[in-house]
Amino acid sequence: GAVVSQHPSRVICKSGTSVKIECRSLDFQATTMFWYRQFPKQSLMLMATSNEGSKATYEQGVEKDKFLINHASLTLSTLTVTSAHPEDSSFYICSARTSHSTKETQYFGPGTRLLVL
Amino acid sequence: KNQVEQSPQSLIILEGKNCTLQCNYTVSPFSNLRWYKQDTGRGPVSLTIMTFSENTKSNGRYTATLDADTKQSSLHITASQLSDSASYICVVSAGSSGAGSYQLTFGKGTKLSVIP
Repeated sequence: GAVVSQHPSRVICKSGTSVKIECRSLDFQATTMFWYRQFPKQSLMLMATSNEGSKATYEQGVEKDKFLINHASLTLSTLTVTSAHPEDSSFYICSARTSHSTKETQYFGPGTRLLVL
Repeated sequence: KNQVEQSPQSLIILEGKNCTLQCNYTVSPFSNLRWYKQDTGRGPVSLTIMTFSENTKSNGRYTATLDADTKQSSLHITASQLSDSASYICVVSAGSSGAGSYQLTFGKGTKLSVIP
């Protein structure tokens, strides 16, 4: 199946710093990528949807100035958590959707564990 | 409002036993239903995906069923193994290829623990 990678797999940072997470579709072109956040024992919560070459669409309650998303190419999307605070500590998962599949398939990355001290 | 409900929330079974996880949904317009396995600290991995016309799909020891009339799905795991311990998430996709837009609704998952 298609592969989606994320980097880094885990990151620890100090409060107030910014952290960038990369999401790459390794063997297919993804016109749309999604960013999710998952707190312990909770389901994935969609943060934003990004289409290549256009601005991301954020879900209600997600601050677009805090969670900067750049979808510069068909294989790369980045999420930057700006001025991170301890409450931003979470598991961030991206997914990528293929553009040619009639079944509209999404593939998830392995996730990035963020810990803000 | 689109919703996906899963039951049970958690389940403990002995290695080698079978189990069935349930998923009820109210999603419109229905596109497809997927079951994912999520190991702790990892991203979800797709097990099965079913469209409206498919009522059963197997992937090794995993068999998913779909009843589009009652809007219910189940995931049956046979001869469970310790490595099956994970969260199993039911995800329903709403939308249409014509519109070109889809929205996923996630269940909260069933946490399965397989013990020796």
